[in-house]
Formats: sequence, C-alpha cells, structure tokens
Amino acid sequence: DAGVIQSPRHEVTEMGQEVTLRCKPISGHNSLFWYRQTMMRGLELLIYFNNNVPIDDSGMPEDRFSAKMPNASFSTLKIQPSEPRDSAVYFCASSLTAPQPQHFGDGTRLSIL
Amino acid sequence: AQTVTQSQPEMSVQEAETVTLSCTYDTSENNYYLFWYKQPPSRQMILVIRQEAYKQQNATENRFSVNFQKAAKSFSLKISDSQLGDTAMYFCAYSTPDQGGSEKLVFGKGTKLTVNP
Repeated sequence: DAGVIQSPRHEVTEMGQEVTLRCKPISGHNSLFWYRQTMMRGLELLIYFNNNVPIDDSGMPEDRFSAKMPNASFSTLKIQPSEPRDSAVYFCASSLTAPQPQHFGDGTRLSIL
Repeated sequence: AQTVTQSQPEMSVQEAETVTLSCTYDTSENNYYLFWYKQPPSRQMILVIRQEAYKQQNATENRFSVNFQKAAKSFSLKISDSQLGDTAMYFCAYSTPDQGGSEKLVFGKGTKLTVNP
C-alpha cells in the first residue's frame, strides 16, 4: 500500500514567490491534515479536511496561506506571497474516521530566501 | 485549549538499557486518545503507540509500553532494550474526535533521545 505522498520533498524559492505544496492521501482515507513544523513552534495543525470539506482552518497563520482539496485523492497548500518566516517542514497526514490513527507523509522542507 | 507538555528536551541512554520519556497533558474532555510518534533524522513521523483514554490497560507494542495515569493526566513512554535505531525525536500527542469523526492532533515539543553504543 502506498503511503501519503507529498511533493516536492524540498523547495527553495525567493521571497515573494508563490509556493504550492501537494499531497496525495492514502486511498480510502476520508480525513486530511496539513501540519507545519518549526524549531520555535514545534508541530502545528494548519487545517484539516473531512470528506474534502475544510473543517477547521483556525491554524492557518495568515491570508497568504490557502488550502484546497478538489477531490479525495489530492490536496494543495499554497503560500502567496511567500516570506522567509514561512520556512519550515510541512507535513500532510491522512486517516480514516476516528479512532483510526493519522499516517504522515515524508514532509516538504520549504526554504524561503 | 488542550495542551501537551514534554518536560525533557533531551535524553540519552545506553544501548540495551531502559528509558522512560515523560508527557503530561491538560484537557477537560473524557473521550480522547494519546499517542507517541517517533521522528528519526529521516524526518518521517512514525506512530509508535496509541492509548484510548477509556481503556485502563496500558498499551504495549513490542519493546514500547506506556504508563497511562488518567487522573494525573500523565502518559509516559518506556522503551526497553534500547537500540541504536531508537535514536530520534519523540513526540507525545493528544486528540479528541470532532463531530465528523476526525481527530485533531496536538503535539508536545518533543524529546530528543540518543541511544549510545
């Protein structure tokens, strides 16, 4: 079984550019989560979807961040315009309905210069 | 808001020894789950063990076991017969299902464990 697939694995771009992170959840999973990991703040939930519908986006830091899930097998997290403080590792995770655990992708390391 | 606290930023243990990582949490919910995730240098987040709050019996997975003290809101992880491959960051996490059945994970800051040969 393929796990959660994230792309790209690494992204380096200049301040002000648009960044798009992609995630393919495990087939059949109905919940999808986006997390951000930094040294200062640790792992934080940004947004999650249930059956492709955004349920809670209270963790999205600013309007520069947006996330979509157009279908059950694909989600994007977009930052526009990007800033150096957005540099972090971004994880996508998916799960079946609780109490099933979340499965994480390998993360995208984002560096904004 | 729920919080998870890991009071040990770093720990070390000799290979084959036993080590215990601490975690406390704060919640007013009665139905919740607790987890330990491992993050090796490869950056993957790997589920180590999970505990349902309504279960009194402590969860066990091979060399990994927990000591769940619900009244004290404590959830420690014991690693027996430590191996070099156990070297990683360990995160304690809490979740409670929402009405739609999804679980939002709240993580602690992590404990960096080093297993020495």
